[in-house]
Amino acid sequence: QVQLQESGPGLVKPSGTLSLTCAVSGGSVTSPNWWSWVRQPPGKGLEFLAQVNHGGYTNYNPSFKSRLTISADRSKNQIFLKLNSVTAADTAVYYCCMDDVTVGATLGYWGQGTLVTVSS
Amino acid sequence: SSELTQDPTVSVALGQTVTITCQGDSLGTYYANWFQQKPGQAPILVIYTKNNRPSGIPDRFSGSSSGDTASLTITGAQAEDEADYYCNTRDSSGIHLVFGGGTKLTVL
Repeated sequence: QVQLQESGPGLVKPSGTLSLTCAVSGGSVTSPNWWSWVRQPPGKGLEFLAQVNHGGYTNYNPSFKSRLTISADRSKNQIFLKLNSVTAADTAVYYCCMDDVTVGATLGYWGQGTLVTVSS
Repeated sequence: SSELTQDPTVSVALGQTVTITCQGDSLGTYYANWFQQKPGQAPILVIYTKNNRPSGIPDRFSGSSSGDTASLTITGAQAEDEADYYCNTRDSSGIHLVFGGGTKLTVL
């Protein structure tokens, strides 16, 4: 059974860097698949941030320019996200997602999400 | 701003049929996926690649598409279907994922 568990700092100061970890269980980051980060500001909709696949290929939401970095650690079976130069607008629940490649479903699995607040 | 447009709110009487739509240019090329999100919970996938249901999703949920519009239909809506629904596909580049703004479904 696939489980995705996000973890993060909870609170980040403006202009700082937000760093998140997604622990993957029930699947390997070395197996063909895609992992994504999606966020949701309080009371608002979902927003795609970035994707990484088993080969290390990445793609990013163009709206974030160079502020985002997604990566994977094969030895720890974890996915990471870094967001630089944060502002209050980056306050959101951040979700880690994984495709269900057995049926070809994009974003078939979601973690429970982790709330990150940007505030001084 | 989202490249996919959804009606912000839709309502349906208990047991009736409701259709939630999602409009966007890239839907003429790429299939839509649909997610259900209840308050305080993570989204779950209810329809993928136009009209496929993941295991455990009731068959009252179905998807369709025509031109640049994708639709999610709930046939015989139940009280537990009250939730926010989001469509998703790829943008015009085919690389990046995009979401619609979401539709809040109320079951009366």
